[in-house]
Amino acid sequence: DGGITQSPKYLFRKEGQNVTLSCEQNLNHDAMYWYRQDPGQGLRLIYYSQIVNDFQKGDIAEGYSVSREKKESFPLTVTSAQKNPTAFYLCASSGGTRHSGNTIYFGEGSWLTVV
Amino acid sequence: GENVEQHPSTLSVQEGDSAVIKCTYSDSASNYFPWYKQELGKGPQLIIDIRSNVGEKKDQRIAVTLNKTAKHFSLHITETQPEDSAVYFCAAHATSGGYNKLIFGAGTRLAVHP
Repeated sequence: DGGITQSPKYLFRKEGQNVTLSCEQNLNHDAMYWYRQDPGQGLRLIYYSQIVNDFQKGDIAEGYSVSREKKESFPLTVTSAQKNPTAFYLCASSGGTRHSGNTIYFGEGSWLTVV
Repeated sequence: GENVEQHPSTLSVQEGDSAVIKCTYSDSASNYFPWYKQELGKGPQLIIDIRSNVGEKKDQRIAVTLNKTAKHFSLHITETQPEDSAVYFCAAHATSGGYNKLIFGAGTRLAVHP
């Protein structure tokens, strides 16, 4: 099946621990994104990447890091510097690079909880 | 910076009635406006989108209208059904340093009562 796969679906993090959320897409999309969603809230952009080996900070990048070594993969690391990481994390991708108005498709999300 | 406002935050209708959700955006350069439906615990799914060269688009029971002069766009769902119950997000395209991204509204929780 074509699509965006996020793993794990549920993840628990201990205080002071780094965790990495996986995102893989087989849609041959150039651009990939990470959003954070808090309960009852909208989506806030963490990081985005328009092409391999390039990524940009979004609106809430502090305490997060990403890499884009392969076109199909865009892992997100939630570091210990992120003081309130409990949220629903959504990965997305789109076919465009510097073109406007490309449809963004989302994965099924990953729940991260601090214990 | 870019901003998208969405109203109402909650909407309750009877099955068969129509539902309307409205959004306004701030970036006059925005030219693409998608709508997403999100069910509990799942990722948002694109349901309809509109580009700035058209004023209205329909897909069965769903329609979206765009007023570029006023910088607002709306989602219309007719003959609502219980399975339409979900959170709906509007979004507007924005360009930052030549990079493409979407700015989302805060969402509308729609409840359709049988």
